[in-house]
This record gives sequence, C-alpha cells and structure tokens, in this order.
Amino acid sequence: DVKVTQSSRYLVKRTGEKVFLECVQDMDHENMFWYRQDPGLGLRLIYFSYDVKMKEKGDIPEGYSVSREKKERFSLILESASTNQTSMYLCASRPLQVYYGYTFGSGTRLTVV
Amino acid sequence: ILNVEQSPQSLHVQEGDSTNFTCSFPSSNFYALHWYRWETAKSPEALFVMTLNGDEKKKGRISATLNTKEGYSYLYIKGSQPEDSATYLCAFYYTGNQFYFGTGTSLTVIP
Repeated sequence: DVKVTQSSRYLVKRTGEKVFLECVQDMDHENMFWYRQDPGLGLRLIYFSYDVKMKEKGDIPEGYSVSREKKERFSLILESASTNQTSMYLCASRPLQVYYGYTFGSGTRLTVV
Repeated sequence: ILNVEQSPQSLHVQEGDSTNFTCSFPSSNFYALHWYRWETAKSPEALFVMTLNGDEKKKGRISATLNTKEGYSYLYIKGSQPEDSATYLCAFYYTGNQFYFGTGTSLTVIP
C-alpha cells in the first residue's frame, strides 16, 4: 500500500523553538508539498519541491523553510515557532503529470504555546 | 492566488437523500481538476481526476461532471449514507506545478 508518512500526529512546541516536521513517501514521486489547513481557509501551499534539492515557495512561505536532500523525504522547518503557526500541516506527494492526484499524509496537528 | 470556490460551505442531509455541490474555477487555461474526500482523522483521498470539458466520472454512488468553458464542476452523491460524511475538496491546476484547493464542502449525513 503506497503511502506518505508524517513523523508526528500531534506536536506541542513553545514559542521560539525550532520545529522540524518530517515527511517520507515510498512512491518515487517527483513532487512533494507542504500545506497547512486552517478552518475556513482551505489548504494553503507553504512550499513544494519537484526534485531533490529543489524548492519553490508557495502562497505562505514566511516563517518556514524546507529541505529535500533525498527524493523520498521532504522536511518542513519552522525556524522560530510562533502561535500563529498553530495549525494542521499536511504533506503530500504527486507524480509530475497533472493527471495524477495527490497522495496525502495523515497530517500533523501542531500547537505552539 | 487563484480563486477556487466551493459551495455550499456545509451541508446536512438525511440518509438516502441525493445531494450535489459545486466547485467554481477560472475558465481560462484549464489543465486539470481533482476531487478529494477528506474524512475526519484521515488523509484526503483522491476521488476523481478530470481533464476534458464534458468529462463525467463515476465511482459507486458518487459522480462528477466538468464544464471547463463556464468554469465549474459538480459532485453528486446518490442515496447518501453516513459513511459519506466528509469534507469534499476540489483542486484546480493552474500553472507552475501547483494546484489550488477550494475551502471544501463539509457533508454530514444524518442516519
């Protein structure tokens, strides 16, 4: 069964901490994405990567960075966590072609206190 | 940021009722539209990938249609069941390897 695995389901961090969210996919997909989901706002793209060591900013990259050292792993980094980054974070992967859907991870509910 | 609108925002129906909801998107430069079902505590799951004007897709009791000229897609559920309760998302491909997601329609099917 193909899947996208996110390292944590729930996470509580303190303001100012550096936070790493890890995502691994086993489908050899070129594209990987990080979204956050907030009530009433839908899924908003933070960053995506179409190849190893490549990254592109999405709609809301401020306060985040990413790392993709291997094809199967895409990490989201909150350099200095703030309370407005409390959210559900979803990782997803997809082949290059637009005719294939995303495969999503189960999400990480991050609370910054 | 593109405007991908879904309506209604939420919906409550009785078990056995049929229902439908809408995804509206820019009608220019269309490439693809996806529909996803997102059940509580689970990952969003792809339902349909739609690429051609006039496309109709079906999976069991769920079907979808696409009108790229007027910029909308409908999702239909026939004879709703409690297990259909979920948020239904559409995602529109614009350019730059990005899909833009709507805010979803939350469906609750009351037994």
